[in-house]
Amino acid sequence: KNQVEQSPQSLIILEGKNCTLQCNYTVSPFSNLRWYKQDTGRGPVSLTIMTFSENTKSNGRYTATLDADTKQSSLHITASQLSDSASYICVVSAKAGGGADGLTFGKGTHLIIQP
Amino acid sequence: SQTIHQWPATLVQPVGSPLSLECTVEGTSNPNLYWYRQAAGRGLQLLFYSVGIGQISSEVPQNLSASRPQDRQFILSSKKLLLSDSGFYLCASQRGNSYEQYFGPGTRLTVT
Repeated sequence: KNQVEQSPQSLIILEGKNCTLQCNYTVSPFSNLRWYKQDTGRGPVSLTIMTFSENTKSNGRYTATLDADTKQSSLHITASQLSDSASYICVVSAKAGGGADGLTFGKGTHLIIQP
Repeated sequence: SQTIHQWPATLVQPVGSPLSLECTVEGTSNPNLYWYRQAAGRGLQLLFYSVGIGQISSEVPQNLSASRPQDRQFILSSKKLLLSDSGFYLCASQRGNSYEQYFGPGTRLTVT
């Protein structure tokens, strides 16, 4: 069964600190892995998308890594800001290209940045 | 990039009442469209997806239905709501040859 497990479930850090969120998956065959940021009461917004051949991708202060051998990904946030408070969702696709088949969503990590 | 519109933003409906949620897309043509439900503390659950007008695939059997009357319009409906239908409903759009998926702002549905 395809699964995506995220850890920690929730995290509280002080503004300005760094943090790393984890995503382990058992999705097969692997096509791509996506990280989304979801503010409370809003729709998710894409941060990064990585295919099998990519092991690092950055988007501003967000850096995602992918180890396709161990089936692990991480999202590192540098110099956190209050606006980073949100849920971060890891999504793994088992299907190349478009279409809905094979999308497995993690439950998300709820991140709170304290001043 | 694409822009997804959803309405209403919030809705409170009694059990047994009908439902109609609407989603429209700007900035692309012939997208794949999706309806997701997000329950509190749980991941997104895919409900329906569509690859074209009139083409609907259901991922989870339930009392909900979806329709796509126009290329960039996607509607989620129910004839009789259940308490378990409460949740946050998200519409998403994706070009057929792209991995990028854009989400709408969502509709918060509370069934009382």
